[in-house]
Amino acid sequence: EVQLVESGGDLVQPGGSLRLSCAASGFTFSSFAMSWVRQAPGKGLECISAISGTGSDPYYADSVKGRFTIARDNSKNTLYLQMNSLRAEDTAVYYCAKGRVTSWYCFDFWGQGTLVTVSS
Amino acid sequence: EIVLTQSPGTLSLSPGERATLSCRASQSVYSSYLAWYQQKPGQAPRLLIHGASSRATGIPDRFSGSGSGTDFTLSISRLEPEDFAVYYCQQYGSSPWTFGQGTKVEIK
Repeated sequence: EVQLVESGGDLVQPGGSLRLSCAASGFTFSSFAMSWVRQAPGKGLECISAISGTGSDPYYADSVKGRFTIARDNSKNTLYLQMNSLRAEDTAVYYCAKGRVTSWYCFDFWGQGTLVTVSS
Repeated sequence: EIVLTQSPGTLSLSPGERATLSCRASQSVYSSYLAWYQQKPGQAPRLLIHGASSRATGIPDRFSGSGSGTDFTLSISRLEPEDFAVYYCQQYGSSPWTFGQGTKVEIK
């Protein structure tokens, strides 16, 4: 059974940093692209970052480019998102999502999400 | 960037009725790389349809997707109580991968 478990969400001040983690199990982690998708309170979905199975070809949405860094450790089956220079508009539930084998950015499994709140 | 516009914003229907949700793209979606997701309150989204018309694993056959180019449709043939939720379309054919704003299917 595929499981994705996010952690690391917290209340942080504007300008602060946070690192999210996503522990994966139930599939061959290194064979699949992984992404971070966020959802601001009461709003829709936004794919903000993605990475290939090998850790190459990172993708960043313009809204986070230069501030967020995606990474993965295939030996630990874990996906990460380093978030720097956080802003109020980064407040959201952050989901990690697994890409399908033939379509990296179509997400067939999602974690339960971790809440990031940016506020003073 | 491809903008996806979903309509209607809210659909009020009774159990057993048919639901038809629309997703219109601002430009053609490459190779019909269009997905539909269902999200219930407090839960993560769940993949229903990929490739515009292929049901994901374990999805009941009352869910069907159709369309190509810029116009796509999600149909639910007979609404079950568990189908009342928010539905999002997403295009994954060209970067940035974008979602529609969602259609809420609520109990009438």
